[in-house]
Amino acid sequence: DAGVTQSPTHLIKTRGQQVTLRCSPKSGHDTVSWYQQALGQGPQFIFQYYEEEERQRGNFPDRFSGHQFPNYSSELNVNALLLGDSALYLCASSLEVINAEAFFGQGTRLTVV
Amino acid sequence: RKEVEQDPGPFNVPEGATVAFNCTYSNSASQSFFWYRQDCRKEPKLLMSVYSSGNEDGRFTAQLNRASQYISLLIRDSKLSDSATYLCVVNRAGGGNKLTFGTGTQLKVEL
Repeated sequence: DAGVTQSPTHLIKTRGQQVTLRCSPKSGHDTVSWYQQALGQGPQFIFQYYEEEERQRGNFPDRFSGHQFPNYSSELNVNALLLGDSALYLCASSLEVINAEAFFGQGTRLTVV
Repeated sequence: RKEVEQDPGPFNVPEGATVAFNCTYSNSASQSFFWYRQDCRKEPKLLMSVYSSGNEDGRFTAQLNRASQYISLLIRDSKLSDSATYLCVVNRAGGGNKLTFGTGTQLKVEL
């Protein structure tokens, strides 16, 4: 059983560019959350998708947007990249059950230069 | 004030030592609590859930004090393989499994 998979694993972009990160949830999971982890910090919640809708959002600007597809996979899009967007972006999937365990993908390491 | 606060460490301990990590959370509506482990440049993985009654898994013991909004993790007989960052995590009531992480406490177990 494949766990959560993310692509690409590493990415280098230039300031002002746009980026799309992808996530396939663990088999059977219907909820996908995205987190940003800066160096030396814990992951910060960006948003969560369920039934193709953004259900919750953290304190991130509108430059961060996402999408969930009918097969539950998800994309994170970041527009107008800033140097401060450099981080590890983690996708987590879970069942739509209170306190369900969240399983994380290996992350996409984004570097903005 | 951060919603979840941890001592960032690092904690450098000899193999076989007992080490304790503490964490406080500010939102009294927090409903569920976890410790995650994160190895260098890897994704976080659930170590254990934390319950008011306390729970133990082998060498690991977690405790929750709701009145003090305090969570702890005790590791006994530390192994080299325990070296990692330990993240304290809370999930608010009605939070839809939106996890709030502390900054993590780094543990280095040495020979």
